[in-house]
Amino acid sequence: ETGVTQTPRHLVMGMTNKKSLKCEQHLGHNAMYWYKQSAKKPLELMFVYSLEERVENNSVPSRFSPECPNSSHLFLHLHTLQPEDSALYLCASSRTAGAWPEAFFGQGTRLTVV
Amino acid sequence: AQSVAQPEDQVNVAEGNPLTVKCTYSVSGNPYLFWYVQYPNRGLQFLLKYITGDNLVKGSYGFEAEFNKSQTSFHLKKPSALVSDSALYFCAVRDSGDYKLSFGAGTTVTVRA
Repeated sequence: ETGVTQTPRHLVMGMTNKKSLKCEQHLGHNAMYWYKQSAKKPLELMFVYSLEERVENNSVPSRFSPECPNSSHLFLHLHTLQPEDSALYLCASSRTAGAWPEAFFGQGTRLTVV
Repeated sequence: AQSVAQPEDQVNVAEGNPLTVKCTYSVSGNPYLFWYVQYPNRGLQFLLKYITGDNLVKGSYGFEAEFNKSQTSFHLKKPSALVSDSALYFCAVRDSGDYKLSFGAGTTVTVRA
């Protein structure tokens, strides 16, 4: 148990659906991340929030929309996805300064787009 | 810009033999370096980190890593591998004081009995 919780663990959605992934941490971290992990590809950084402000958006398609309402919660809203968006979506959190800068990851949401 | 290279997609070793997983990095400032392990259908699990101080850092499950500034490397090592060490290993780097964490492509370790 890392202290970062992602829900749901598995999600199957059609291409016209709207769904949201949720990530929660109560570690006192001030940075949160969304990563996409596809089979046989490197881990792709999608979004970074630092102190609830989006500081990184790595050319992610607009069908992925992040939201960070407070420092403990991070969402990824999904809309009109494509089959190639099927992947493991990982949330992580960390401190941006101090002696413990390591990121802690959630278990991930396995997304399948049909 | 920062980046991480893991030159080996796969490492195979026999149980009881030493295990080394290679990592080199590039960062403009001072590096924070990390190793993570991922078991099937799970998230990434933190193993160890280098922030400052001793170049040899020890982490979970008997793993250690050596920071070499001149070679910009941070290789992961275990003196005696176990079958249960079979997993996907990721090296990561962050510029100190920055928030962006970059990962290597990962190395699949298979330890045979």
